Amino acid sequence: DTAVSQTPKYLVTQMGNDKSIKCEQNLGHDTMYWYKQDSKKFLKIMFSYNNKELIINETVPNRFSPKSPDKAHLNLHINSLELGDSAVYFCASSQDLSFFNEQFFGPGTRLTVL
Amino acid sequence: AQSVTQLGSHVSVSEGALVLLRCNYSSSVPPYLFWYVQYPNQGLQLLLKYTTGATLVKGINGFEAEFKKSETSFHLTKPSAHMSDAAEYFCAVSHQGAQKLVFGQGTRLTINP
Repeated sequence: DTAVSQTPKYLVTQMGNDKSIKCEQNLGHDTMYWYKQDSKKFLKIMFSYNNKELIINETVPNRFSPKSPDKAHLNLHINSLELGDSAVYFCASSQDLSFFNEQFFGPGTRLTVL
Repeated sequence: AQSVTQLGSHVSVSEGALVLLRCNYSSSVPPYLFWYVQYPNQGLQLLLKYTTGATLVKGINGFEAEFKKSETSFHLTKPSAHMSDAAEYFCAVSHQGAQKLVFGQGTRLTINP
């Protein structure tokens, strides 16, 4: 069983479209994250949720809206996609907000905006 | 604010040679330090971490790292490189009460046959 899963794995779309990426974890963790990895492999946190509540919004444009229907799921919806949104997006989870805990990462979603 | 600097965006070693990936951090409070590995087209996975206690930390796949407070470093080593070690390696830092993990820019490790 995959611990942290994301769908889709690849997403190719036109500028201006709206798209969603889904993430699920079956580890029973309380905390989930979205990270963006750019073309130079730089990894930066976008959002974190703890028990469905938003903890961090790291100066991400309003076009990005995370939604956590329950603590096992954290989806990412992106409106009005722009060229600069092209990146690999990783979902991750950890047991709780204690930052000595390991974070478990999903396989990533490669988003290409044309 | 915390930060991490990984010296060398690309390191190339021969199979069987020593692997040394450098990481220096900046933190005004006692840090938690991590090394994650990313294999091609995969997510990151934890290699090892330092929180408190013994400063020499052993991880998976024969890797280890030593926390040196005086040098603000947490370099990753492996005595003998294997072809399967080829990957991107990320150093990261946080601390008690932190709200996020801060990653370095990554080091790509290439293993030559």
